[in-house]
Amino acid sequence: SAVISQKPSRDICQRGTSLTIQCQVDSQVTMMFWYRQQPGQSLTLIATANQGSEATYESGFVIDKFPISRPNLTFSTLTVSNMSPEDSSIYLCSVSGGRTTGELFFGEGSRLTVL
Amino acid sequence: AQTVTQSQPEMSVQEAETVTLSCTYDTSENNYYLFWYKQPPSRQMILVIRQEAYKQQNATENRFSVNFQKAAKSFSLKISDSQLGDTAMYFCAFYNTNAGKSTFGDGTTLTVKP
Repeated sequence: SAVISQKPSRDICQRGTSLTIQCQVDSQVTMMFWYRQQPGQSLTLIATANQGSEATYESGFVIDKFPISRPNLTFSTLTVSNMSPEDSSIYLCSVSGGRTTGELFFGEGSRLTVL
Repeated sequence: AQTVTQSQPEMSVQEAETVTLSCTYDTSENNYYLFWYKQPPSRQMILVIRQEAYKQQNATENRFSVNFQKAAKSFSLKISDSQLGDTAMYFCAFYNTNAGKSTFGDGTTLTVKP
């Protein structure tokens, strides 16, 4: 298992600003995932963050809007840039229990409200 | 690409009763895993149960069990002796081993009533 800490847990932001979410894992992991969960809806994968390489973005998500850093095997950040009210969501950091098993461990999420 | 469908947006059950949540999926993959995750109100998502596609035997974890029908691409979750703490949103998820990615259904909000 893995214990994942996310900061901030929630924030209220102004339109046009940017916010960086931090994700800290208590063990070294190869792959970290960033998901978006809009209110009452399912999880959508934004990108996969691998240490030592560029993040891999899913269709509909671009690096300019959601830049990701992965400086080491226990830490990652996701920035939500130039925010609009449509970016109001819960952003979840997740790590895999192993590529062969696929089990995911999640942080508590960062709830962003954009005014 | 995989799709995961949960046809029941909301369900409710009386405490101590049994409830079944439905999930169907579509894939051309042979090597995959299926999961049910639980997201309690304002709390983090946790794993409930996992099923390997190559195993015919249905997975069981205490009060939670699945009915895995591979040919029908169906993966339902049965919760026995429901407890108030089972109130949560439940997500069915498909893990593509080759791609290393998970696809989630839209979720079912389960309310356990006293």
